[in-house]
Amino acid sequence: GEQVEQLPSSLIVQEGASVLINCSYTDSASVYFPWYKQEPGKRLQFIIDIRSNMERKQTQRLTLLFDKKTKHLSLHITATQPGDSAIYFCSASNYNQGKLIFGQGTKLSIKP
Amino acid sequence: EAAVTQSPRNKVAVTGGKVTLSCNQTNNHNNMYWYRQDTGHGLRLIHYSYGAGSTEKGDIPDGYKASRPSQENFSLILELATPSQTSVYFCASGDPGSSGNTLYFGEGSRLIVV
Repeated sequence: GEQVEQLPSSLIVQEGASVLINCSYTDSASVYFPWYKQEPGKRLQFIIDIRSNMERKQTQRLTLLFDKKTKHLSLHITATQPGDSAIYFCSASNYNQGKLIFGQGTKLSIKP
Repeated sequence: EAAVTQSPRNKVAVTGGKVTLSCNQTNNHNNMYWYRQDTGHGLRLIHYSYGAGSTEKGDIPDGYKASRPSQENFSLILELATPSQTSVYFCASGDPGSSGNTLYFGEGSRLIVV
């Protein structure tokens, strides 16, 4: 079945810096890739998504890049703020099954 | 705002005991999911459902059963709890389709099996 890998597993940066989180998947049948953010002790919340017919999507300080050939995604966060401290999860879905497979998560810590 | 609520939020169970985790959604979503979250593993899918009366095995179903008696409710059942099932469990609801499958999560249920 589908496997989703994320790197790095953790990241510490100074406030205001940019970060890059990488994600790869194995199943070429996956067509939808949402990302979620989990603040400490809270539920997961959707932050951005991309479909396999797109290469790039941007919303505010988030840019999501998708390479279908290499089965790779990367999430770029600019001008980081303390509120960005969270675990970020990449996930992949085959519409037909409607289930999401998650990566292991990337713990991002922002130093004020 | 989509609403998914889980109960109990915290539970301590004894080895060999029965545990039921409940989930209720008011989104009128067809699909519901149970995941467990463990450090180093991210979220792993245990069971999911396409609607009332349906349950499907996820990636790690062993030791768990699921029940979907209605559109709104989805339960995860541990008939004989073991310490390896100590984890945080998340329920989610969603609807796949042309708009994708954004999931709405509950706040999690922390289970400790002693």
